[in-house]
Amino acid sequence: QKEVEQDPGPLSVPEGAIVSLNCTYSNSAFQYFMWYRQYSRKGPELLMYTYSSGNKEDGRFTAQVDKSSKYISLFIRDSQPSDSATYLCAAESGTYKYIFGTGTRLKVLA
Amino acid sequence: DTEVTQTPKHLVMGMTNKKSLKCEQHMGHRAMYWYKQKAKKPPELMFVYSYEKLSINESVPSRFSPECPNSSLLNLHLHALQPEDSALYLCASSQEFRALGNEQFFGPGTRLTVL
Repeated sequence: QKEVEQDPGPLSVPEGAIVSLNCTYSNSAFQYFMWYRQYSRKGPELLMYTYSSGNKEDGRFTAQVDKSSKYISLFIRDSQPSDSATYLCAAESGTYKYIFGTGTRLKVLA
Repeated sequence: DTEVTQTPKHLVMGMTNKKSLKCEQHMGHRAMYWYKQKAKKPPELMFVYSYEKLSINESVPSRFSPECPNSSLLNLHLHALQPEDSALYLCASSQEFRALGNEQFFGPGTRLTVL
């Protein structure tokens, strides 16, 4: 079992839809959770960085962590074609290593 | 400024060539990282430098040789690579190493093709 699991997609949605991207994890020691957006052939861009359970909002993006069920989510409101990318979740436990999910490919159709 | 820069953007090399990848950050970060990313896979950690000293080598073959000349620069020297080493090589940096709450910022990557 991988420490961080993520559905690879692709996930296709119409423009303006609310997108829900999800990851599950198995290691209870994880304390920080990240979401990166990666456009094709580019480096990952940090979108959200959250600690502990709860919600964090930044513009159209909301990150949610539920430590009791070991579930992390990223919601994108009013999705745009420019949101089409691969979204990577990651977790860390205070060691040196980020544990990444495999990434979910998102396509927002105009 | 949360920018990590990498040069070159693209590199094509033969198996007998020697080349270097460069990474630079001016955020005052003391930890810098090299990752390798194959298509449709997440980044895989290769090396970590903390305060200009190599702290982690994730069992990377010796044909990859990292170097940290100063706190802002990170190099990856390449020699006698194999075609399977073709990938996107990513540099990242964070404020500190082995500290909770450290956001890692990635550069745009160097796309390497080994012929």
